[in-house]
Amino acid sequence: DVKVTQSSRYLVKRTGEKVFLECVQDMDHENMFWYRQDPGLGLRLIYFSYDVKMKEKGDIPEGYSVSREKKERFSLILESASTNQTSMYLCASIVSPGTRDTDTQYFGPGTRLTVL
Amino acid sequence: AQTVTQSQPEMSVQEAETVTLSCTYDTSESDYYLFWYKQPPSRQMILVIRQEAYKQQNATENRFSVNFQKAAKSFSLKISDSQLGDAAMYFCAYRSASYEKLTFGTGTRLTIIP
Repeated sequence: DVKVTQSSRYLVKRTGEKVFLECVQDMDHENMFWYRQDPGLGLRLIYFSYDVKMKEKGDIPEGYSVSREKKERFSLILESASTNQTSMYLCASIVSPGTRDTDTQYFGPGTRLTVL
Repeated sequence: AQTVTQSQPEMSVQEAETVTLSCTYDTSESDYYLFWYKQPPSRQMILVIRQEAYKQQNATENRFSVNFQKAAKSFSLKISDSQLGDAAMYFCAYRSASYEKLTFGTGTRLTIIP
């Protein structure tokens, strides 16, 4: 089975701290995504990466950056955390083209981040 | 830009009954994919069902089926014989065939009444 893991389920940080959220997938997927999920807003794409060291902005990239040094790992960075970044963060990856489940994104369990 | 609308923030259904969740979308593209994802309380988001826009036949997965109306840009999910384990947040999502990004609706919280 596809497995997408995230480094923490719950995280509490203070305003101004630098925050790292890690996501790892074990199926050699090329494309990886970071979303934030807020009540009444659904999931919104922050950034995605289609290859090592490649990234593209999503709908709400402000206040975030990403890093993808290895294919299996995609990190989301909050350079200076703010209270409005309190949210659930979901990582996802997509099966490589040519397989039965092409185009289906698989999600990690999520990290609930609270910024005080 | 594509948008996905789920007009029912909450729904409830009696166990063993059938429920339909609504989803509409807006796009100018002709080739795309549509998905329903399920997010149980405190658990991982998982794919329920997917539909390719070029296929006229509605997708089915066991008790889950969709009613895909391409001209009306409607993509509803029908859950038959509802079970307690179906209680979750359900998200409708759209993906262009030429671009990896998923656009999600705001979700429908489904409650199953025993």
